Amino acid sequence: GQSLEQPSEVTAVEGAIVQINCTYQTSGFYGLSWYQQHDGGAPTFLSYNALDGLEETGRFSSFLSRSDSYGYLLLQELQMKDSASYFCAVRATSGTYKYIFGTGTRLKVLA
Amino acid sequence: SQTIHQWPATLVQPVGSPLSLECTVEGTSNPNLYWYRQAAGRGLQLLFYSVGIGQISSEVPQNLSASRPQDRQFILSSKKLLLSDSGFYLCAWSLQGLGYTFGSGTRLTVV
Repeated sequence: GQSLEQPSEVTAVEGAIVQINCTYQTSGFYGLSWYQQHDGGAPTFLSYNALDGLEETGRFSSFLSRSDSYGYLLLQELQMKDSASYFCAVRATSGTYKYIFGTGTRLKVLA
Repeated sequence: SQTIHQWPATLVQPVGSPLSLECTVEGTSNPNLYWYRQAAGRGLQLLFYSVGIGQISSEVPQNLSASRPQDRQFILSSKKLLLSDSGFYLCAWSLQGLGYTFGSGTRLTVV
């Protein structure tokens, strides 16, 4: 089967750095995306990695290692508004752009 | 810029009643469109996707159906709702395969 694993919950304090890991087992791999979802809201796109390495977008960075079937989302200078669920998603097929989602990591940022 | 509209935001329906959820996209043509469902506290499950008018692919056997009567319109339907159909329904379109833009979602409660 196809699966993505993420920690269910992570807690950190304001101003800290937190890393959310994602390991995947899929029949194919064309890219890894990350999404943020606040309670009651829809997921919003954060980042996309198709090649190995680190992609940086402001306080958020995303890393991919295809040989290890592993990626992570790094959040720096945590703010209270970063409290949300974070999902990794793998594009496992070409053409149709279908994504398989992980079960999500709930991040709690403490003052 | 591209926008995606989804309605209604919330819906409470009795078991056995029909369902129709609508999604429209603006600012792009021939988008790939997707319906996902999210159970409470869970990840996103792909239900249907469409690469063009009248072209629907089903990912999971279920009590639901989808249609794409126009290029930028995607509809999720059911003839008779089940309790298990409750959830958060999200329409999405693909950013050229790099990730999704989601609509605001419909929270469906079947009672």
